[in-house]
Amino acid sequence: EIVLTQSPGTLSLSPGERATLSCRASQSVSNNHLAWYQQKPGQAPRRLIYGASSSDTGIPDRFSGSGSGTDFTLTISRLEPEDFAVYYCQQYGSSPYTFGRGTKLEIK
Amino acid sequence: QVQLQESGPGLVKPSETLSLTCTVSGDSISGYYWTWIRQPPGKGLEWIGYTLYSGGTNYNPSLQSRVTISLDTSKNQISLKLSSVTAADTAVYYCARSRVPDYWGQGTPVTVSS
Repeated sequence: EIVLTQSPGTLSLSPGERATLSCRASQSVSNNHLAWYQQKPGQAPRRLIYGASSSDTGIPDRFSGSGSGTDFTLTISRLEPEDFAVYYCQQYGSSPYTFGRGTKLEIK
Repeated sequence: QVQLQESGPGLVKPSETLSLTCTVSGDSISGYYWTWIRQPPGKGLEWIGYTLYSGGTNYNPSLQSRVTISLDTSKNQISLKLSSVTAADTAVYYCARSRVPDYWGQGTPVTVSS
C-alpha cells in the first residue's frame, strides 16, 4: 500500500500570498496517477487536479499541480478568501487507492 | 448536471450490517466506475472501493471481507453493504462517480452504537 505524507499539516497564510502544499509517496505513483481535492467544512471534497497536473473544468487557474514519481505539489498562486480549506492528495496508480492525511490551509 | 444522493439509516447497531444507497440523477450509471469513500468524524478520507457498471469490483483490503458494492441499473442506484460493523465504522459515507471521483454526493453520516 502506498502511504502519502502531506506537509505541512497546517499552513497559515494571508490572502494574496502563494501556497505550496506537498504530497510525498512511499513509492513511485504509477503513471503519475495523483489527484488533489479541496474540502470545506460540512461539504464533500471537490476534485481540483488529476493526473498530477491536469486541472478540472471550472477550477480557477491560480490552482496548479506538479510533480512526478514520489513528490507532488499543489500550488495556489494568489490565495483568495474562499481557498482556505483542507486539501487532500490521493493516488490511484495502484490498489488500494490511498489518501494523504490532508493539509489545513488557514487564514493567518 | 449529475447529482448523487446517499440515503440509509443514520444509526446502526454493533455487529449488524450497514446498508446505504446512492441515487444518481442527471445521467445513467452505465459506463462509469462508482466509488464509496468514508470520513470518520474529524479525520481524513478513506477509500472503501469501487464497482464498474459491468460488475467488476475493487475493495480496500482492510474492508474486503466485510464490504459489497453493487449497482441497480433499473433504479440508477449504487449500494454499499458493510457487515459486522463496530464503532470504528462511524463516519460520513460518500458515494462518487469515477475511480478518481469527480462528482460526489453530499455524504450521509452513520453512527454505530447500541
